[in-house]
Amino acid sequence: QKEVEQDPGPLSVPEGAIVSLNCTYSNSAFQYFMWYRQYSRKGPELLMYTYSSGNKEDGRFTAQVDKSSKYISLFIRDSQPSDSATYLCAMSDSGGYQKVTFGTGTKLQVIP
Amino acid sequence: GAVVSQHPSRVICKSGTSVKIECRSLDFQATTMFWYRQFPKQSLMLMATSNEGSKATYEQGVEKDKFLINHASLTLSTLTVTSAHPEDSSFYICSARDPLAGGADTQYFGPGTRLTVL
Repeated sequence: QKEVEQDPGPLSVPEGAIVSLNCTYSNSAFQYFMWYRQYSRKGPELLMYTYSSGNKEDGRFTAQVDKSSKYISLFIRDSQPSDSATYLCAMSDSGGYQKVTFGTGTKLQVIP
Repeated sequence: GAVVSQHPSRVICKSGTSVKIECRSLDFQATTMFWYRQFPKQSLMLMATSNEGSKATYEQGVEKDKFLINHASLTLSTLTVTSAHPEDSSFYICSARDPLAGGADTQYFGPGTRLTVL
């Protein structure tokens, strides 16, 4: 079993839709959770960073962490064609000194 | 925001040659840099962690004599793929951790280097 599971998609939605991206994980020691956006042939860009359980909102993006279920989500409201990219979840078990484990990424396409 | 550059962005080489990839943090000092490899439709696979002034820490299964990493300054780390073979063809991405940035595990990624070995 992989430490982090993420549906690779692709996920196609119409412009303006609410997008839900999810990851599950098995390591209960994970405390730090990140979402990265990666455009084709580019390096990942950090979108959201959360610590422990709870919600965090930044503009059209909301990150949720449910540690009891080992489940994290990224919601994108009013999705735009420019949101079309691969979204990677990532997590680690300590503050800054342990390696980060990435999901395989979900490819999202927002259709105008 | 923190900016990380990589050079070259794309390289094509013959089998048996060595290729050097540079990773630079442009507006911050990175005591720790990371090198990843990404195959199509797969996740980022950490190859090694590079600490300024010390030897890199390689992940299990990564040949340290094949993938030479040097982190000579706080803004530059290099990855040299020695005696490259077609199976080394991949997308190599570096990242750097800004110790002064909020968020303990925020890594800033470079744009990646596409290596093709003929």
